[in-house]
Amino acid sequence: GAVVSQHPSWVICKSGTSVKIECRSLDFQATTMFWYRQFPKQSLMLMATSNEGSKATYEQGVEKDKFLINHASLTLSTLTVTSAHPEDSSFYICSARDRTSVSYEQYFGPGTRLTVT
Amino acid sequence: AQKVTQAQTEISVVEKEDVTLDCVYETRDTTYYLFWYKQPPSGELVFLIRRNSFDEQNEISGRYSWNFQKSTSSFNFTITASQVVDSAVYFCALSGLMDSSYKLIFGSGTRLLVRP
Repeated sequence: GAVVSQHPSWVICKSGTSVKIECRSLDFQATTMFWYRQFPKQSLMLMATSNEGSKATYEQGVEKDKFLINHASLTLSTLTVTSAHPEDSSFYICSARDRTSVSYEQYFGPGTRLTVT
Repeated sequence: AQKVTQAQTEISVVEKEDVTLDCVYETRDTTYYLFWYKQPPSGELVFLIRRNSFDEQNEISGRYSWNFQKSTSSFNFTITASQVVDSAVYFCALSGLMDSSYKLIFGSGTRLLVRP
């Protein structure tokens, strides 16, 4: 089956520093990857759609200069939280869509728990 | 606009009871997909089912069953003879053709607690 990995699985950083989260599709090529954020006891909220070789499309209210997304290859997308603050502490989940798929299914990574102190 | 509503925030049942999780959706797309995911305490989303808008057949997979009714825009999920391991948050989600980005719209989730 299609597998998506995320690294790191958890990270603690100090306020003001930047953190990079990687999302990889391990056994398929993903032209499109998605980044979600989930606060405790809340649903997943889409932050941005990442297309290989082009700029990411951000959802309304998401600061593109704060959440930098790079999708440089068909198997890797990265999310960098710049100048992180405690309110950025959250569970970040990526998903990927198989370029050969005719359905709308997305394969989800295991998530990255970010804590900003 | 696309929207998914899961009106039940939390449900608590005793083991072996049947439980139904409700999902109501809104979309102007004629072609769309509906999904259910399970999110255990570990946080990783577990895919349960995908259903496209042209397939209204109900589906059964072991103790799980799904009832898709376009007439009421509902896609309900039933767990028969619930078990403690079923305790998790369950999300219903929608993806439509109109938005060619294929993004998923999630409901707010239903937290299911199965007590022994």
